[in-house]
Amino acid sequence: DTGVSQDPRHKITKRGQNVTFRCDPISEHNRLYWYRQTLGQGPEFLTYFQNEAQLEKSRLLSDRFSAERPKGSFSTLEIQRTEQGDSAMYLCASSSGGGSNQPQHFGDGTRLSIL
Amino acid sequence: AQSVTQLGSHVSVSEGALVLLRCNYSSSVPPYLFWYVQYPNQGLQLLLKYTSAATLVKGINGFEAEFKKSETSFHLTKPSAHMSDAAEYFCAVTPRGNFNKFYFGSGTKLNVKP
Repeated sequence: DTGVSQDPRHKITKRGQNVTFRCDPISEHNRLYWYRQTLGQGPEFLTYFQNEAQLEKSRLLSDRFSAERPKGSFSTLEIQRTEQGDSAMYLCASSSGGGSNQPQHFGDGTRLSIL
Repeated sequence: AQSVTQLGSHVSVSEGALVLLRCNYSSSVPPYLFWYVQYPNQGLQLLLKYTSAATLVKGINGFEAEFKKSETSFHLTKPSAHMSDAAEYFCAVTPRGNFNKFYFGSGTKLNVKP
């Protein structure tokens, strides 16, 4: 169990640029989640994949955001035309199948700073 | 809809003192409940979970939590605080079913004084 891995750990970019983050979940986990966490707040749900299917997207996920999980393994989260308000920690989590009593295992996050 | 309230954004205790972090949920049906800990610049680490077995749940690092349906609470406790417990703690709920989208509280930062 190598844990959930996220890359990069930190990203600094200018407003208006596009950024892409990667998440590698725990290998046997078929569920993958993206969350956004701003300073002083708990994580907020963005989107959820079961295998390669994106089953739910939060209203927080504007049309500038897109997430993929093409082969049901790793996932990418892309933000186009970044804005100041996108500065946050982006967390990825994975869990095994079964019911909703399964805990989610989190990566260390990607911290995005928009200049 | 699910929601979680963590009373007290900051809690300060002396080393060796009791730790009590509060979590109340809002749900018509008791959800599944989790406590996570987050150290600076790291992700969240699971401390413990309640999934309708015993109402008193023991977790890692000496933490435990008690589910009280009548009070819609799931408070986190530790009998004796250690300096290494200083971190931010998040309570999370998820409705029962197949889809475990988590709803997190806003967190409580625990400070441990020597």
